[in-house]
Amino acid sequence: DTGVSQNPRHKITKRGQNVTFRCDPISEHNRLYWYRQTLGQGPEFLTYFQNEAQLEKSRLLSDRFSAERPKGSFSTLEIQRTEQGDSAMYLCASSSPRQGSDATNEKLFFGSGTQLSVL
Amino acid sequence: AQKITQTQPGMFVQEKEAVTLDCTYDTSDPSYGLFWYKQPSSGEMIFLIYQGSYDQQNATEGRYSLNFQKARKSANLVISASQLGDSAMYFCAMREASSYKLIFGSGTRLLVRP
Repeated sequence: DTGVSQNPRHKITKRGQNVTFRCDPISEHNRLYWYRQTLGQGPEFLTYFQNEAQLEKSRLLSDRFSAERPKGSFSTLEIQRTEQGDSAMYLCASSSPRQGSDATNEKLFFGSGTQLSVL
Repeated sequence: AQKITQTQPGMFVQEKEAVTLDCTYDTSDPSYGLFWYKQPSSGEMIFLIYQGSYDQQNATEGRYSLNFQKARKSANLVISASQLGDSAMYFCAMREASSYKLIFGSGTRLLVRP
C-alpha cells in the first residue's frame, strides 16, 4: 500500500494558462474523489468517480474544470484559463466499498494534495 | 441539506491534558456517518475515527474518542493525553447514505503547549 499519490506537489502558473494535475489512487480502490481546499477552510467536494464513470459533480466545478479517469485507474483534473480565484490546494482521495455496507462508513484515503498558485 | 459546523477556529491545550473539539451537524437522512480527520502542516488528511448514526456506543480509537449525542446532533472529538504531535488542523465530516460526498466543516486548529 503506497498510499494516494498526487503530482505535482506545487504548481505556479500565470492567469489564463491551463494546468493539469494527476492523482494515482491506492491500487485496489475503485472510488476516486477530487476536493478543493482554500486557506482556513475545510475541503470542498468537486467530483467523484466510480471506476471510470464520473458519477457526481459539484456546482463548484465550472466549465473550465474537467476531470477524467480513463481505465478506472489514475485520474487527471484540468483547469483551463486559470483565474486567481482558482488558487487552492487540490486534494485527491480514494476508497473501496465494503461488501454489504452502505457508503456511510467508507473511509477516504487522501493524498498530500497539489498546491496551485495563480499569479 | 447536510451541513457541518465547527465553532472553534483555534484551541490550546497543555501537553498530557485532554481536549474536546466541537462539531455539530445537520441532516435529514436517518442514515449517516461522522468522521474526524487530522491535517498536519504537510497537508495530508489523516483519518482518525468514525461513528455511524445507528451505532449505540461512542467510537474509540486509541487516544481518540467521539462523544456522539444524536438528539443534539453533535459529534465532539475528545483527545486524551495530548502530545506535541497532535498540533494540527482537525476536521469533522459527514456522509449521508444517499450521497457519496463527504462534507467537511471549517476545521479547528489545535496547538499543544509543552
